[in-house]
Amino acid sequence: GQQLNQSPQSMFIQEGEDVSMNCTSSSIFNTWLWYKQDPGEGPVLLIALYKAGELTSNGRLTAQFGITRKDSFLNISASIPSDVGIYFCAGRSSGANSKLTFGKGITLSVRP
Amino acid sequence: NAGVTQTPKFRILKIGQSMTLQCAQDMNHNYMYWYRQDPGMGLKLIYYSVGAGITDKGEVPNGYNVSRSTTEDFPLRLELAAPSQTSVYFCASSYGGTGRETQYFGPGTRLLVL
Repeated sequence: GQQLNQSPQSMFIQEGEDVSMNCTSSSIFNTWLWYKQDPGEGPVLLIALYKAGELTSNGRLTAQFGITRKDSFLNISASIPSDVGIYFCAGRSSGANSKLTFGKGITLSVRP
Repeated sequence: NAGVTQTPKFRILKIGQSMTLQCAQDMNHNYMYWYRQDPGMGLKLIYYSVGAGITDKGEVPNGYNVSRSTTEDFPLRLELAAPSQTSVYFCASSYGGTGRETQYFGPGTRLLVL
């Protein structure tokens, strides 16, 4: 089946630093989504991307839909302690009732 | 709106016991989903439903059953609990299943099978 690759599994940064995450696939996706999961909670949608090359921002977060449709990137600028959590990428291919495929997630830790 | 609600929040089961994980949404969404999340493994789709009376298998359906008698509710049934079913279970819903519909997740049910 389709797989999304996120690495590394964990990232540790200092408060105030910028951080970049990427998500790659061997398959083409028509939609890329980035979710954040806080401890003990369900995932919450951060940014949705629907067009190859699209660059979208949500506050300090910026995400891009790769030109090849096989990757996506998420950048967090000027990190703060509440950015701690697990960041998942998810992709959807075309077709009726196409389901989301999730990456394994990256756990982000922010040192004050 | 309460969004997507799940009960219970946490449960311990003995091997072979059965239970139903409840999920409800008040957003009038057509699509509902059940995922399981294992440590370091992301989310795997168990079952999904595109509307009342219609359900279909996801990636990891074995050992589970679902029903969708109403638009609002989508319970997940474990008939014979096994240690491999120890996981965190998330229910989600969306208005549609393609295009720009966002999936909204519930807070999760943590299940431990001993």
